[in-house]
Amino acid sequence: EAGVAQSPRYKIIEKRQSVAFWCNPISGHATLYWYQQILGQGPKLLIQFQNNGVVDDSQLPKDRFSAERLKGVDSTLKIQPAKLEDSAVYLCASSRFLRTDSPLHFGNGTRLTVT
Amino acid sequence: RKEVEQDPGPFNVPEGATVAFNCTYSNSASQSFFWYRQDCRKEPKLLMSVYSSGNEDGRFTAQLNRASQYISLLIRDSKLSDSATYLCVPRGGGLELVFGQGTRLTINP
Repeated sequence: EAGVAQSPRYKIIEKRQSVAFWCNPISGHATLYWYQQILGQGPKLLIQFQNNGVVDDSQLPKDRFSAERLKGVDSTLKIQPAKLEDSAVYLCASSRFLRTDSPLHFGNGTRLTVT
Repeated sequence: RKEVEQDPGPFNVPEGATVAFNCTYSNSASQSFFWYRQDCRKEPKLLMSVYSSGNEDGRFTAQLNRASQYISLLIRDSKLSDSATYLCVPRGGGLELVFGQGTRLTINP
């Protein structure tokens, strides 16, 4: 089974620029998550999709972050404009079901550096 | 109180030792629990799922205490390759997943 695919692996941008990340979940996984992980901390949920609908985006800074999963498969996360504090690893994860017993499977992340 | 609290460590133990660390959670509606391990500069990988009172997988044992709202992870006969950060993740009735900050473990030769 192919894992969660993310690209790019690394991105360096200047503050106030825009950046986009892409994620393709495991085939058949209905639920997709975007997490932000700052060095030394656990992952923090930004947004959760069930198919192409948003389940939870309460922690997404909507003034600068946006995400979509238009066809219910792959997803993009965008930051516009970026701030220095957005430097982090952005992890995409998927799970087969939106159920309490369904674990998450992570992609290898995109490491963003904002200068 | 934080939703999920873990002792950040670092825990430094010799190879072959037994080590245990706890994770406390505040959401009493949490139904499932997951332990993930995360190697330096890598993504979290699922280590173990806990749906009832505990789970055992080889050298790893997780025990859940719902009354006191904590879950522990025990590693026996530790190997150098066990060096990683261990993340505790309760999953609540609202299906939210909140990660702890992780416990950093280093196994020394």
